[in-house]
Amino acid sequence: GAVVSQHPSRVICKSGTSVKIECRSLDFQATTMFWYRQFPKQSLMLMATSNEGSKATYEQGVEKDKFLINHASLTLSTLTVTSAHPEDSSFYICSAIGDRGRAYGYTFGSGTRLTVV
Amino acid sequence: QQQVKQSPQSLIVQKGGISIINCAYENTAFDYFPWYQQFPGKGPALLIAIRPDVSEKKEGRFTISFNKSAKQFSLHIMDSQPGDSATYFCAASKGAGSYQLTFGKGTKLSVIP
Repeated sequence: GAVVSQHPSRVICKSGTSVKIECRSLDFQATTMFWYRQFPKQSLMLMATSNEGSKATYEQGVEKDKFLINHASLTLSTLTVTSAHPEDSSFYICSAIGDRGRAYGYTFGSGTRLTVV
Repeated sequence: QQQVKQSPQSLIVQKGGISIINCAYENTAFDYFPWYQQFPGKGPALLIAIRPDVSEKKEGRFTISFNKSAKQFSLHIMDSQPGDSATYFCAASKGAGSYQLTFGKGTKLSVIP
């Protein structure tokens, strides 16, 4: 089945530094990638949608300059949290669909636990 | 405005029992309704999904019932096992546009021996 590999699984960084999270589709071409944020015991909150080669579309209230998304190839999307602060600590999850749209469903990465100290 | 309402928030079921989680949606443009299972510290995993042209879909112990006129769908887990203890999310998306998923708030299921 379709697999999305997300790295790192956990990261601790100092306040003010930047952190990059990678999502790779291993066995399919991810034409669309979604980035979510999840707080403890809450649902997934969509941050942005990106299509390969295009600028990401951010949800209302998500700072595009803080959460930089790059989807430069059909197998790789990255989320960079710039100048991270403790309030950015959260669980970040990517998801992808391929060139057949939703025919094979949405494949989720395993998530990244970001802790900003 | 929450477009997918999920209940209950938490559920305790005895081993061997049936777990039932319900969702209701508002947007009639939704045409794909998946259920996801999430364990702590992991990403969601697709359990089963349904489209509105069928009223029921079964895969193993998992069944989705879909009521288009009522705009409701539910997940039934038969013969619930302790290993089913997880958080379950219903979701919905529409075909036109960006394929964004709208999630329910989740149900924490605990299956006790």
